Amino acid sequence: AAGVIQSPRHLIKEKRETATLKCYPIPRHDTVYWYQQGPGQDPQFLISFYEKMQSDKGSIPDRFSAQQFSDYHSELNMSSLELGDSALYFCASSSRGAGTYEQYFGPGTRLTVT
Amino acid sequence: RKEVEQDPGPFNVPEGATVAFNCTYSNSASQSFFWYRQDCRKEPKLLMSVYSSGNEDGRFTAQLNRASQYISLLIRDSKLSDSATYLCVVNGYNAGGTSYGKLTFGQGTILTVHP
Repeated sequence: AAGVIQSPRHLIKEKRETATLKCYPIPRHDTVYWYQQGPGQDPQFLISFYEKMQSDKGSIPDRFSAQQFSDYHSELNMSSLELGDSALYFCASSSRGAGTYEQYFGPGTRLTVT
Repeated sequence: RKEVEQDPGPFNVPEGATVAFNCTYSNSASQSFFWYRQDCRKEPKLLMSVYSSGNEDGRFTAQLNRASQYISLLIRDSKLSDSATYLCVVNGYNAGGTSYGKLTFGQGTILTVHP
């Protein structure tokens, strides 16, 4: 079965640079979520989109923005990167229309800021 | 206090052992409950959803007690491949009651199954 696709898998950036992470949800899933997992920590919710509209917002810094496009893929844009942004960034998708709310995670993008 | 709290672990058990994980959550408005497993540096993978009536999937049994805001996971006949971090996860409305979707994770419990 098709899974969530994330790209790139690894990204190395310098401080103050920008980064764009991409997520392609499972086909026919209508909701995308972004999570950040720092070393030794549990995943923290950043933001979510349902049918291309922002549906919830968590602890996402103002330097970050995200959107969901007409084909349901989503992008997380990160600017003025800081060392503390180094983390695993997961995208998850679900089918809210199916009413199950089970979220399936992609393999993640490992961002290293130097 | 964290919104979802789990046994600190780690658990080290021999193959074939039965092991139980417990979890409590503080948001009484929480609607859906899950156990995920996460292998080192990999994504969380959905192990099972948890229902009030309890549910079983092979060697895994999950229970939910809404009154006590308590969730459990029982693993029977542990296998080496069960070694992972087990995450108790809750999904519910935010404080404003206006959305439903974000997952809140417990800190995870590390399980190591040894020969």
